[in-house]
Amino acid sequence: DAKTTQPNSMESNEEEPVHLPCNHSTISGTDYIHWYRQLPSQGPEYVIHGLTSNVNNRMASLAIAEDRKSSTLILHRATLRDAAVYYCILRPTGTASKLTFGTGTRLQVTL
Amino acid sequence: DGGITQSPKYLFRKEGQNVTLSCEQNLNHDAMYWYRQDPGQGLRLIYYSQIVNDFQKGDIAEGYSVSREKKESFPLTVTSAQKNPTAFYLCASSTTGIAEAFFGQGTRLTVV
Repeated sequence: DAKTTQPNSMESNEEEPVHLPCNHSTISGTDYIHWYRQLPSQGPEYVIHGLTSNVNNRMASLAIAEDRKSSTLILHRATLRDAAVYYCILRPTGTASKLTFGTGTRLQVTL
Repeated sequence: DGGITQSPKYLFRKEGQNVTLSCEQNLNHDAMYWYRQDPGQGLRLIYYSQIVNDFQKGDIAEGYSVSREKKESFPLTVTSAQKNPTAFYLCASSTTGIAEAFFGQGTRLTVV
């Protein structure tokens, strides 16, 4: 399975944009890029996913590099409720895959 | 409401006892997954199932067993062979393809 690399932790001030990076240099052409986040003592929740084009939804934006070897999750205005661990994973098309998580990025948001 | 339910939320067992964690979903998803999470760590895949009556080992299957007799249910048994069973266990489900996965709220197992 293709692996992802994320920084262990990041900090942001409230109401400022946050850019969470993810490297996936061994990504294959059929891998979708998924992002999940996990609040303390809860199960992860889906945030966004994409293949080649940038994607926007109510929670965040996903910017995908032209060569697809990296991506960035963008939170446009961080709030204290966005403090969580953010996971970037690769999901192949076709039948359900193993759905393997890495260690993620712990985002701290301060006033 | 559709969703995925894990029970119980907290579970205590004595060392040497087997224990079964429940995971039920009413989302009509084919695929189900079990993960283990230790404090400050990421999720590690224990077992996954893509269809009823079929399942595959994940990265840390030793000491665990599962069954998938019904589409809605994917129970995980933590056996006495698991050397360090105290952890937070998460169950997830998804449709096939690239669809998002939905997670339960987890079961925190403590073995004393």
